Amino acid sequence: DAMVIQNPRYQVTQFGKPVTLSCSQTLNHNVMYWYQQKSSQAPKLLFHYYDKDFNNEADTPDNFQSRRPNTSFCFLDIRSPGLGDAAMYLCATSREGASFQPQHFGDGTRLSIL
Amino acid sequence: SQQGEEDPQALSIQEGENATMNCSYKTSINNLQWYRQNSGRGLVHLILIRSNEREKHSGRLRVTLDTSKKSSSLLITASRAADTASYFCARGDDYKLSFGAGTTVTVRA
Repeated sequence: DAMVIQNPRYQVTQFGKPVTLSCSQTLNHNVMYWYQQKSSQAPKLLFHYYDKDFNNEADTPDNFQSRRPNTSFCFLDIRSPGLGDAAMYLCATSREGASFQPQHFGDGTRLSIL
Repeated sequence: SQQGEEDPQALSIQEGENATMNCSYKTSINNLQWYRQNSGRGLVHLILIRSNEREKHSGRLRVTLDTSKKSSSLLITASRAADTASYFCARGDDYKLSFGAGTTVTVRA
């Protein structure tokens, strides 16, 4: 089945130690998104790629960066994780923009900071 | 930023009962989408309703949209224990979704 896969499901890192989360998709969708979701809160969009075009949300901290080397893969890099970055990170894809297309989500990576 | 407000925040019902949750939004929409999230999992798309539609059905789910009141509702009929989850509405605008805070539904056996 075509899907969005996130690895790892659980990631533990130390305060200040860089960490990379990965996402892959077999849907061949143009758009890939990264969301941060804290406990009992709504997902918050960090940034998205439309093909190779990167779009950062205005309030996404500089500490968060992303790479999309090809259509199938997208990475979230957190350069110096702080305690406040502990959250679930969700990757999603859509065929075009969200105007008339649903988004397909992976099961997320839960990030813990020691 | 969150563009939707959902009501109630939490809902507990008996299996077989109906569950209704509401979503209000502030600005005009292209579409409104509803998603389900089981504990510790990603979001699953349920229904997309366009701004020119008033009602859509999918199995036991019914979504209504009232653009004059800037509100939408999701009805789950004949609920099952497997419907226990958080439900989010999301305003679709160009490339992004803006999610409401969600309604946590617990279905008691």
